[in-house]
Amino acid sequence: ETAVFQTPNYHVTQVGNEVSFNCKQTLGHDTMYWYKQDSKKLLKIMFSYNNKQLIVNETVPRRFSPQSSDKAHLNLRIKSVEPEDSAVYLCASSTDISGNTLYFGEGSRLIVV
Amino acid sequence: GEKVEQHESTLSVREGDSAVINCTYTDTASSYFPWYKQEAGKSLHFVIDIRSNVDRKQSQRLTVLLDKKAKRFSLHITATQPEDSAIYFCAASGQGTGSKLSFGKGAKLTVSP
Repeated sequence: ETAVFQTPNYHVTQVGNEVSFNCKQTLGHDTMYWYKQDSKKLLKIMFSYNNKQLIVNETVPRRFSPQSSDKAHLNLRIKSVEPEDSAVYLCASSTDISGNTLYFGEGSRLIVV
Repeated sequence: GEKVEQHESTLSVREGDSAVINCTYTDTASSYFPWYKQEAGKSLHFVIDIRSNVDRKQSQRLTVLLDKKAKRFSLHITATQPEDSAIYFCAASGQGTGSKLSFGKGAKLTVSP
């Protein structure tokens, strides 16, 4: 049963364009995350937010910027995409920041041509 | 930061056999060790976890063992079924780190009838 919703599921774009991915969770959780899964299935955390506040900001290029309007929403904007940004972007949520179970969305696949 | 190594990339078993997936971690402060499953074309979902105050946890056909001295933990699946076929990711994090889970690279389990 999905409770973390991501849009779009799939997006193809050209190098240099801007892309936005949206994520909404209906679990009432305080904490949300963006993970990147590359073509080899490697998972790396990009950002985490707790109650709209940025908690974790891994070393990602500046063209990536998260945006949170409330604790149920966490969007990801990529300005001027590059080929290495091609990946699946996974949104997740957890009850709080203390390392509990993550609930993942279905992912947003980005292909940069 | 924490580094999680997942030793098997792939493993194949016959239906009804047992499967074991092993992981090691580097940070002695890590205290939370979840496992996630990713079926083909789908997102990750949580299967089982263990915290450092115990060395064994079982949930139906799944058992997680934790050896803190060796900084090693493992997932044991008994009486495997074809629907167990998936990529299994181990992860580790410490307390109070903002849920910064570090994931292993994943192990693809194939259960053949």
